[in-house]
Amino acid sequence: GAVVSQHPSWVICKSGTSVKIECRSLDFQATTMFWYRQFPKQSLMLMATSNEGSKATYEQGVEKDKFLINHASLTLSTLTVTSAHPEDSSFYICSARYMGAGTPYEQYFGPGTRLTVT
Amino acid sequence: GEDVEQSLFLSVREGDSSVINCTYTDSSSTYLYWYKQEPGAGLQLLTYIFSNMDMKQDQRLTVLLNKKDKHLSLRIADTQTGDSAIYFCAESIGGSQGNLIFGKGTKLSVKP
Repeated sequence: GAVVSQHPSWVICKSGTSVKIECRSLDFQATTMFWYRQFPKQSLMLMATSNEGSKATYEQGVEKDKFLINHASLTLSTLTVTSAHPEDSSFYICSARYMGAGTPYEQYFGPGTRLTVT
Repeated sequence: GEDVEQSLFLSVREGDSSVINCTYTDSSSTYLYWYKQEPGAGLQLLTYIFSNMDMKQDQRLTVLLNKKDKHLSLRIADTQTGDSAIYFCAESIGGSQGNLIFGKGTKLSVKP
């Protein structure tokens, strides 16, 4: 149980275009989902926290107009990278909080999406 | 602010024990977690410990917590080549969001 999927697993796009990444909780309802960005050989940087039915909370330094997050249902959150540039190339990982887990803050992670902007 | 520190690399021989260390700064941490990340994949929760516990054992994994020194360790007994991965320590800082703060990860290499 507590499986999180992401789609696509990798995407290559041209500079200036927009890319949407989906994050789904497959067998549980997630009131809270998180979006992270991971650079090579570095830790996960939290970009934003997404609560179902409300606006996402962005971390300091993350442009909300560039990284659009929508959490329209209890099983789906999307991250849209608008007007992508090569510096947006990264590994994007989502996670979902499962309230039936062993701890109240436990997060289950998706497999990640590799974005390359050319 | 919150900070989680880990050593970046650890190399062991197959069959030996691995010990991955982590220090954190936030004394209000409620839970501490160990996650495993294999190449090109997301994070897999390995185990967690509540902040009022000293030790937790789960098969080959032993977690030790020294709350006074804010030091957490993960011991993997009989390390196998399949254990080669990056291991992240994370703390939850409580509150309504309970966000996780991650260390930079320790890359464990297991040599046959």
